[in-house]
Amino acid sequence: SAVISQKPSRDICQRGTSLTIQCQVDSQVTMMFWYRQQPGQSLTLIATANQGSEATYESGFVIDKFPISRPNLTFSTLTVSNMSPEDSSIYLCSVTGSPYEQYFGPGTRLTVT
Amino acid sequence: QKEVEQNSGPLSVPEGAIASLNCTYSDRGSQSFFWYRQYSGKSPELIMFIYSNGDKEDGRFTAQLNKASQYVSLLIRDSQPSDSATYLCAVRTGAGSYQLTFGKGTKLSVIP
Repeated sequence: SAVISQKPSRDICQRGTSLTIQCQVDSQVTMMFWYRQQPGQSLTLIATANQGSEATYESGFVIDKFPISRPNLTFSTLTVSNMSPEDSSIYLCSVTGSPYEQYFGPGTRLTVT
Repeated sequence: QKEVEQNSGPLSVPEGAIASLNCTYSDRGSQSFFWYRQYSGKSPELIMFIYSNGDKEDGRFTAQLNKASQYVSLLIRDSQPSDSATYLCAVRTGAGSYQLTFGKGTKLSVIP
């Protein structure tokens, strides 16, 4: 399985600011995804990060709030913009291995005060 | 609206017993089904996937799928305290889609 790293692992941010989360994979992967896990909740897909084109966002998530970059097949960033306390969550990137395997990075724990 | 339902638990079983975790899904077009284990403060870890009706065994874990009933389950035999975690059921719909829809998870506690 691919080895996935995320930076930062955690951060405490003030409302109104932005945070960029990095996801690095040790091998080239076609599909990369960003998920959010709010406290005590399950995972919700934010968007699919497409290499060389705009990300595809799920209902309820917009590019202005969660801009995503995917400059190559091993790296992606997610920015959480103009943060509010409701954005306090764990943000996870994931990649597909074989068609039946999807692996998650260690996550970024964000607290907005 | 694609939905994946799980009993939130907590489910408590004694050490050595069989733990049975259940999941139902609403989209009949769902193609493949996944079980993830998530320890507190950690990211989800893939345990098993299944895409054909019937049973699939891997060590102490057995996944069971019944597409007619839109039901998937995970059995953990000889449960250990280290199995205590939240188990997430995830469903992927459509052969061309890699997106997963997750249930809210079942918290399992294995009592020594």
